[in-house]
Amino acid sequence: GAVVSQHPSRVICKSGTSVKIECRSLDFQATTMFWYRQFPKQSLMLMATSNEGSKATYEQGVEKDKFLINHASLTLSTLTVTSAHPEDSSFYICSARSSLAGGDSYNEQFFGPGTRLTVL
Amino acid sequence: GENVEQHPSTLSVQEGDSAVIKCTYSDSASNYFPWYKQELGKGPQLIIDIRSNVGEKKDQRIAVTLNKTAKHFSLHITETQPEDSAVYFCAAILNSGGYQKVTFGTGTKLQVIP
Repeated sequence: GAVVSQHPSRVICKSGTSVKIECRSLDFQATTMFWYRQFPKQSLMLMATSNEGSKATYEQGVEKDKFLINHASLTLSTLTVTSAHPEDSSFYICSARSSLAGGDSYNEQFFGPGTRLTVL
Repeated sequence: GENVEQHPSTLSVQEGDSAVIKCTYSDSASNYFPWYKQELGKGPQLIIDIRSNVGEKKDQRIAVTLNKTAKHFSLHITETQPEDSAVYFCAAILNSGGYQKVTFGTGTKLQVIP
């Protein structure tokens, strides 16, 4: 099946620093990748939709200058949390959607294992 | 926009019993309904899904039913096992051309008691 990886799995940083999280589709090409944020015991909240070669579409309330998204290739999207603060501490999860239109997996989003960000 | 409600928020069952989790959605344009299992500290894993042109789908101990008229869908797990313990999320997805919008339910923490 389709595999999505995230790196790093855990990161601890000081307040004011920037952190980059990578999301890779390992065995398929993904024209669209999604970034979610999940607080403890809560559901996944969509932050932005990332399309290869174009600007990301951010959900209402998500600061695009705070959460920089780059989808430079069909297998890689990055999320950079700029000038991180303790309130940015969360579990960040990406997902990728296959670019094979009409295929069995076209509807499905394949999720990465998540990245636990802790800002001190 | 889409709104997905999920019930119950927690569910405890004895090993071997069945578990049922229900979701309702508001946008009749949603056309794909996956269920995800999330273990602690991990990303969600798809366990079963159903498209809007299908009423029921089964995969071994797991089944999903969809009532488009009532706009609700349910996850059924039979013969539950301790390893089924996790948080389960439903989702309603709108696919239109190349556009996809996903809305997750609030999650159900399932505990299977040995």
